[in-house]
This record gives sequence, structure tokens and C-alpha cells, in this order.
Amino acid sequence: DIVMTQTPLSLPVTPGEPASISCRSSQSLLKSDDGKTHLDWYLQKPGQSPQLLIYSLSHRAFGVPDRFSGSGSGTDFTLKISRVETDDVGIYYCMQRLEFPRTFGQGTKLEI
Amino acid sequence: VQLVQSGAEVKKPGESLRISCKGSGYGFTSYWITWVRQMPGKGLEWMGRIDPSDSHSNYSPSFQGRVSLSVDKSITTAYLQWSSLKASDIGMYYCAISSGWYLGSAYDVWGQGTMVIVSS
Repeated sequence: DIVMTQTPLSLPVTPGEPASISCRSSQSLLKSDDGKTHLDWYLQKPGQSPQLLIYSLSHRAFGVPDRFSGSGSGTDFTLKISRVETDDVGIYYCMQRLEFPRTFGQGTKLEI
Repeated sequence: VQLVQSGAEVKKPGESLRISCKGSGYGFTSYWITWVRQMPGKGLEWMGRIDPSDSHSNYSPSFQGRVSLSVDKSITTAYLQWSSLKASDIGMYYCAISSGWYLGSAYDVWGQGTMVIVSS
């Protein structure tokens, strides 16, 4: 299985300040036949189901504010929040969908 | 587009269980349905997926043989089933779909989750 490793596991932030979460995969998530990086980011707010934030490395899902951005290549990826808001609290997960079984990172808890 | 899951369950070890995920607002056979487990206080684990059009399924090795996936197209419902529950099956179970080709297979629609408690 592809192992996904996130850092940090806990991220205290101040509203209005930027935040960054890293995710590393045990092998490249770039698929040669479509040229896409098969890496997604999800946010699970307290007491809620996960919600899709970013798909295919850098594409924001419908309705996701442009404060959120995804970047990276190969095996190293970053989710950035340009200005954290109180509504952003929760656990952030990266997930690879290059291979089965899909695998998630351990999660990063963002706390205000 | 929504996925509505069945309610919480409390079962004893060794009992069988089937939980459901009803899709609406879209062509039910258009998108694979994926199941994800979240044990208490833990992260997300991909369990497997099923194609509602032909019931073809893929399982994570971690769950192969422990659970089974099925669908009933006539009522646009997918199922996750255990024949003999263990205490370690405790957790929240989510169903999810990827509702657009442009998403690759990223999951943009999730059910609200079904809590399964297994205790003697």
C-alpha cells in the first residue's frame, strides 16, 4: 500500500494568519498516462463527515474558498490556507488515489 | 445529490449486521460507491467500493473477507454487511461517491455516517 505521512499532526493557528500542512507519499502520485497527480485533500469538521477541499493536487472543489490552495509534485504535497478563519478548524487529511487501496494520511488537527 | 445512511447500531460480538446508504438526486448506477471507516478518535480508512451498475467490487486487503458490499438498484441503496461482528468493528462508517468525471475519483459527496457499536 502507498503510505501517506502528514506533518504536523497538530497545528495551532491564529485567525488571520497563514497555515500550511505537509503530506508525503511513499511513491510518486503522478500518473504518466493522464499527467495528473492523484492527491486530494479533505477536511473533517467536528462532528461532520469529511468534505472535499482539493482534488488532483491543486483544484479547489466546488464552493471551497480561494484561501485554500494545494501544491506539490511527485511525493511531496502542501495544503496552504492563506488566512485562517475560525470555521477552518477540524482535521485535514490527504488521500492518494493512484492505486488501490486508497490510503489517507493520519490527519492534521487544526486548532484556533 | 445526496447519500443518506441508516441509523446507529448497537450489536453484540458474533452478530450479523447490514447498514445502508441510499443515493438520490443522481443516476444511481453512474458512480461507484465507496465505504470508509473511522474508528473512535482515529483517521479515515478506505474499505472498498462497488459499482452499482454490475455489483463489481474492490476491497482493501485490510477488509477483504471481513465485510461484503452489495447494492439494490431498484431502491438505489448500497449496503455494507458483516456476517460476524467483532469488537474491533466499532466505528463510524461513511459512504461516498465521486459525482463528476472531472474529479477523477475524488469523493465530493458523503453520507452522514453510521455509527456501529459492538459490545457484549
